[in-house]
Amino acid sequence: SQKIEQNSEALNIQEGKTATLTCNYTNYSPAYLQWYRQDPGRGPVFLLLIRENEKEKRKERLKVTFDTTLKQSLFHITASQPADSATYLCALETGGFKTIFGAGTRLFVKA
Amino acid sequence: GAVVSQHPSRVICKSGTSVKIECRSLDFQATTMFWYRQFPKQSLMLMATSNEGSKATYEQGVEKDKFLINHASLTLSTLTVTSAHPEDSSFYICSAKTAGGTLSYEQYFGPGTRLTVT
Repeated sequence: SQKIEQNSEALNIQEGKTATLTCNYTNYSPAYLQWYRQDPGRGPVFLLLIRENEKEKRKERLKVTFDTTLKQSLFHITASQPADSATYLCALETGGFKTIFGAGTRLFVKA
Repeated sequence: GAVVSQHPSRVICKSGTSVKIECRSLDFQATTMFWYRQFPKQSLMLMATSNEGSKATYEQGVEKDKFLINHASLTLSTLTVTSAHPEDSSFYICSAKTAGGTLSYEQYFGPGTRLTVT
């Protein structure tokens, strides 16, 4: 079955540094991959989508890479701020328009 | 743009009663809506997919008679938890997407509904 793995351990970084989160997947070849932000007690918020033919995508301080050979996506937040503290979810769309999510990685940015 | 609302945000009910949760797309037409549940520190688990005007498609292990889904219009889907039990306590989240246009690949989530069954 399709599986998405994200680092379950929380990531703690200092303000101003670059945060890098990893998403690995198995048993699937997605046409695109998505990243979401989720704050406690709230629904996920869409951040970025990257297609299989795109190596990298940027949006302001966010950068996503997609390596279909390694079956891995990296999510970077540059010049991180305490307001970036949240859980970040990786998601893949399977056949039939269904999306499966990783469990997310909790990011803490210290001032 | 692409705002999805849910109501109520929190609900506490007694065991054996039914609870209805509404999901609305406020500024776009959602041909497909999804219902998820999420337990603490766990991923979102898809419960069902609903398309406007047709019956919902439930994921394996989800009881369709217990979780009734109605997608009556292009902007409204409802989830009714029937005969709720404490194990149904969870965070229920809906999402919506369109069939085409710039939103077609993106899924927009509601703020979630915290259900507590006592």
